[in-house]
This record gives sequence, structure tokens and C-alpha cells, in this order.
Amino acid sequence: QLQLQESGPGLVKPSETLSLTCTVSGDSISSTNYYWGWIRQPPGKGLEWIGHIYYSGSAYYNPSLKSRITISVDASKSQFSLRLSSVTAADTAVHYCARQRRLSASGSGYYTFIDYWGQGTLVTVSS
Amino acid sequence: QSALTQPASVSGSPGQSVTISCTGTSRDVGGYDYVSWYQQHPVKAPKLIIYDVNNRPSGVSHRFSGSKSDNTASLTISGLQAEDEADYYCSSYTFSGTVVFGGGTKVTVL
Repeated sequence: QLQLQESGPGLVKPSETLSLTCTVSGDSISSTNYYWGWIRQPPGKGLEWIGHIYYSGSAYYNPSLKSRITISVDASKSQFSLRLSSVTAADTAVHYCARQRRLSASGSGYYTFIDYWGQGTLVTVSS
Repeated sequence: QSALTQPASVSGSPGQSVTISCTGTSRDVGGYDYVSWYQQHPVKAPKLIIYDVNNRPSGVSHRFSGSKSDNTASLTISGLQAEDEADYYCSSYTFSGTVVFGGGTKVTVL
């Protein structure tokens, strides 16, 4: 059974970098059928897609966060990671890692949707 | 990319049907049949209930159904039950290869 486990500091100071890691078990992070993504949810608010990565390292990012985001993958450890720089209080949120299906799109290329979520971890930005 | 537009809340009595709309643009909802829906109970992770506009994953109740017309997708919950009280989010693949969510809709069972 697939398990996704987020790990990282629960408290980050303003202007510093938020770093989280997701460990995948029960499935292969190198599968050609999936991307691996990050989503966040500020307290009491809605979901915001952050970005996703393929095992090869190619990544897609939310345009509104792109200048501050890096998502990386370490297939040897079955892990993928998120780094968000220059954080402010507005970045306080529950952060979810997720598996995203990678399917052939009509015409060409691939499309994706999230089919499995980790339990989420709260990261608070505060001094 | 702008968030998809959903009503903040809908409500219905047990046994009734409720429908949640999700409006986007031709660059997301209207451009592809790649809309998904998620159910989120309080302090829980979201759960996929519909993908590719109208497909249910294994184990999801047949009371959940999806549809789409032009730039608007819809989720219908039939035979409303107390356990359906939750937040619901739509999501779409976009022309730029990214994913966008709706703002979420709170479903209340009266």
C-alpha cells in the first residue's frame, strides 16, 4: 500500500528557506506512470498546487511561486523534496506531498491529476 | 494562473441532491476533459472522488458524479448523507502543464 510521509521543520523564520522531504513507500518513485507533487493549504483556506516533478528531474511549478520554489528528487532514497525561499507569514500552511497520475493526453504529451495524498505537515513561519 | 471559481457553500437535506459548479477558462476546464474533484473532511487530507470529468476511482460511492459543459464542470452528490458533509475542491490540468484548484465549496447536510 502506498505511503507518503512528509518530514521537515514545523517552524521557519521569516526570510529563511522552508525545506520539506517526502518519503515514498509501497510504490516506485521511478515509475513512468506518476509525477510527485506538493500542495499547500493555509489554515482555514483552500488548496494551492505548488508543483510536481518526474523521476527524471523535470519539474513544473506554480507560476505564482516559481521564483521561490525548487522541487528535487532522489530516486535512490525514494524521496522528493521542496524548497521555498524567502518565506513570509503568508507561507504558513499545511503542506501535502502527493502522487500524481501521468497519463497520455489526447493529441500529444501527458496530463496529470493528484490521486493520492500524504497526511500533511504544518509549517509555521514566525520569528 | 487564476483559481477556478466555486460557490463558497451549498446545502441540502438528507436524500436530496446537490450540485457544485467549477468555472474556469478555455486554458484549463474548457480546454481539456481533465477535471478532478476532491473531498476533504476536517483535519484530514483530501481524497480523490472524480477524475477525467466523470470517472470514479474504485471504492468511491456511485452517488458522486461529474459532468462538464464548456468552461464549467460540475459535481453532483445524489442521495445526500450526513457523511457527505465536507469541503469539496475541483481541479484541472492547464495548458501550461500545471494544475489549478478551485477555491473550495463547503457542503452542509441540513
